[in-house]
Amino acid sequence: SAVISQKPSRDICQRGTSLTIQCQVDSQVTMMFWYRQQPGQSLTLIATANQGSEATYESGFVIDKFPISRPNLTFSTLTVSNMSPEDSSIYLCSVGQVGGELFFGEGSRLTVL
Amino acid sequence: GESVGLHLPTLSVQEGDNSIINCAYSNSASDYFIWYKQESGKGPQFIIDIRSNMDKRQGQRVTVLLNKTVKHLSLQIAATQPGDSAVYFCAENRGGYQKVTFGIGTKLQVIP
Repeated sequence: SAVISQKPSRDICQRGTSLTIQCQVDSQVTMMFWYRQQPGQSLTLIATANQGSEATYESGFVIDKFPISRPNLTFSTLTVSNMSPEDSSIYLCSVGQVGGELFFGEGSRLTVL
Repeated sequence: GESVGLHLPTLSVQEGDNSIINCAYSNSASDYFIWYKQESGKGPQFIIDIRSNMDKRQGQRVTVLLNKTVKHLSLQIAATQPGDSAVYFCAENRGGYQKVTFGIGTKLQVIP
């Protein structure tokens, strides 16, 4: 298993601002992912954070809105840009090995006013 | 009984009874399935997994059943306890690449 730390755990932000969420893992991992969980709903994959190259985004998510960095094998950031109330969600970092289960951080609960 | 709430279906069970949570998956190419438990304010936690070459796998108090013919997955929890109250998600991994897709989730409420 892996221990995943996310910061901030929660934040309240103003419309039009941007927020960067950090994800730190206690061991080197190949695969890192960012998920969004809207209130009372399931998890939706935003993108795969690739070390040394641009992130791979899922349909409906774009780099301008959700820029991602992955500078090394233990760290990644997700920025939620130009926020609107519709971006109020829990953002979850996860890691895994190919063919195995994913491990999740506790999530970052974002409220946009 | 089972009902559909505002967002998530809810299953209410009496403490000590067995719980069965069902999930339909969409992609016949999926070859790895996982059940996660998410408690309020926390990230999803791995419970049990099963690969497509199996139809049943047992853990401690939990059993996962896989029916590939009808693309159905179930999680059985024996002797349900108050600590089992959470939202349960099934997830499928489509073919080797670690891209996991989550189902809609079921909220389990245990009545003491």
